Amino acid sequence: QQQVKQSPQSLIVQKGGISIINCAYENTAFDYFPWYQQFPGKGPALLIAIRPDVSEKKEGRFTISFNKSAKQFSLHIMDSQPGDSATYFCAPLETGANNLFFGTGTRLTVIP
Amino acid sequence: DTAVSQTPKYLVTQMGNDKSIKCEQNLGHDTMYWYKQDSKKFLKIMFSYNNKELIINETVPNRFSPKSPDKAHLNLHINSLELGDSAVYFCASSQGFRRVPEETQYFGPGTRLLVL
Repeated sequence: QQQVKQSPQSLIVQKGGISIINCAYENTAFDYFPWYQQFPGKGPALLIAIRPDVSEKKEGRFTISFNKSAKQFSLHIMDSQPGDSATYFCAPLETGANNLFFGTGTRLTVIP
Repeated sequence: DTAVSQTPKYLVTQMGNDKSIKCEQNLGHDTMYWYKQDSKKFLKIMFSYNNKELIINETVPNRFSPKSPDKAHLNLHINSLELGDSAVYFCASSQGFRRVPEETQYFGPGTRLLVL
């Protein structure tokens, strides 16, 4: 689990603000970088993911920024809404490897 | 219509009992997983099966035993339950296991286990 470090542990943002969650990793063999979103009482669900050959991917209000040299990737939520309140996990993957790592999770609360 | 289903949704039991959690996926996926999520929301892989073959077997007590009767089912049997086993257990599935990077995992709704 120490291969993946996620921050912050919790985040409170006003409606309309920008939420930023960071994930740092050690394994340079990771080749896919997804973020999962988990609502209370539900299982995690894939939100957005990026390959290492691009530095940024945007889907609606959600953007992943990837910094290969720093071994970090982050999730940006623009115009944060109360409905975005959930726990977010990074879960970088290595193709062909028999391991799975999830970040420690970030509990996001968006205040109306 | 549920893609990944688990039963039961809630499980309250006494220490020392043996219990099973069932998981079924109707996505036609080859790979299934069991995760444990503790009270702090830490999510940890326990087991993974690909085409009924065990491919991930993390360090968990041998009181936990997965069983995959077919590709669509992966059950989790727990013997001699302990207080520390209280957690939410998630089943998940994916098309394959790491053949390509984008092997998205689809999670079930979770089974909330409380050991008294």
